[in-house]
Amino acid sequence: QKEVEQDPGPLSVPEGAIVSLNCTYSNSAFQYFMWYRQYSRKGPELLMYTYSSGNKEDGRFTAQVDKSSKYISLFIRDSQPSDSATYLCAMSASNQGGKLIFGQGTELSVKP
Amino acid sequence: DSGVTQTPKHLITATGQRVTLRCSPRSGDLSVYWYQQSLDQGLQFLIQYYNGEERAKGNILERFSAQQFPDLHSELNLSSLELGDSALYFCASSVASSGANVLTFGAGSRLTVL
Repeated sequence: QKEVEQDPGPLSVPEGAIVSLNCTYSNSAFQYFMWYRQYSRKGPELLMYTYSSGNKEDGRFTAQVDKSSKYISLFIRDSQPSDSATYLCAMSASNQGGKLIFGQGTELSVKP
Repeated sequence: DSGVTQTPKHLITATGQRVTLRCSPRSGDLSVYWYQQSLDQGLQFLIQYYNGEERAKGNILERFSAQQFPDLHSELNLSSLELGDSALYFCASSVASSGANVLTFGAGSRLTVL
């Protein structure tokens, strides 16, 4: 079993839809949770960063962490064609030197 | 431009050969991480260096090795290449080596082994 599980999709939605992306994990030591966005096999870029449980909002993006369920989510409101990319969840623990463990990534396509 | 520089961008070589991938971290970052991304495996952590010292190791093959130099740039050496080594190799850097760090990724080196 992988430490971080993420449905690879692909996920296709119409423009303006609300998108929900999710990851589950097994390592209870994870405390730092991130979402990266990757366009066309280019380098991943940080989208959202959350520490421990709770919600964080940044514009059209909301990240949620539920440590009790070992489940994290990323919501995208009013999705745009420019949001079409692969979204990777990533996590780290305080005692692992800073390395991130990534999910498989979910490929999202937003159709005009 | 993320500030993390990787060279070469593309590399085509034959089985059995050896290649070296190079990474220059963002200015001020002391940690360098190497990841391998293949279609079926996602982003896999290979190895991390912090200020010249190896800090963490993932599922890195014995045919692969890395090092970080005094000027903080890093090199990943891949030897006795096999077809399955074809992948995107990413370097990332961060200021320190704690779990709270944010990693900044380079654009990657695409390796094709024929």
